[in-house]
Amino acid sequence: EAGVTQFPSHSVIEKGQTVTLRCDPISGHDNLYWYRRVMGKEIKFLLHFVKESKQDESGMPNNRFLAERTGGTYSTLKVQPAELEDSGVYFCASSPSGPGLNNEQFFGPGTRLTVL
Amino acid sequence: QQPVQSPQAVILREGEDAVINCSSSKALYSVHWYRQKHGEAPVFLMILLKGGEQKGHEKISASFNEKKQQSSLYLTASQLSYSGTYFCGTLGTSYGKLTFGQGTILTVHP
Repeated sequence: EAGVTQFPSHSVIEKGQTVTLRCDPISGHDNLYWYRRVMGKEIKFLLHFVKESKQDESGMPNNRFLAERTGGTYSTLKVQPAELEDSGVYFCASSPSGPGLNNEQFFGPGTRLTVL
Repeated sequence: QQPVQSPQAVILREGEDAVINCSSSKALYSVHWYRQKHGEAPVFLMILLKGGEQKGHEKISASFNEKKQQSSLYLTASQLSYSGTYFCGTLGTSYGKLTFGQGTILTVHP
């Protein structure tokens, strides 16, 4: 079974530019999460999708961040315009839903974003 | 609120044991443990559920004290492959976002 995949693995952009990150969850997983880790700090929650609906977006830093999950499969996270403090590793995770499951979340390898 | 992990860093020789702790000020439903190696995805290790059920992985075990809202991860007979950053993630309900601790860096030397 393929794991969570993310693209690109690295992105270097200049302040003010736009970047779009993509996440493909494990097939069949309704739950998709975005997290971010800024260098040396903890992994912080950004957003949670259930299928194509935003269940919880309380972690989104500001309106420069836009996440979508059209069709309930892959998700994109767009940062526009990017600022220096947006640099970090963006992780995507997915988990199945259903009775008796414990919300084990499986993480992708992350996208390392550097804003210069 | 973010759980607190201790210690922040551990250095071991192969074969030695280590304990990593995770404490929360909020009531917890479950605690999830992950290990991340540099540049790789965090790998799921263990889940501890309210009520005592746990799912394990390899030679790693853990405990969950519901009264104190604390979890401990036990690494026995450490191997070089155990090196990495260990994170605990907590859930206050059965579902939703994980709130992570700041991580514990574990280094195992030959």
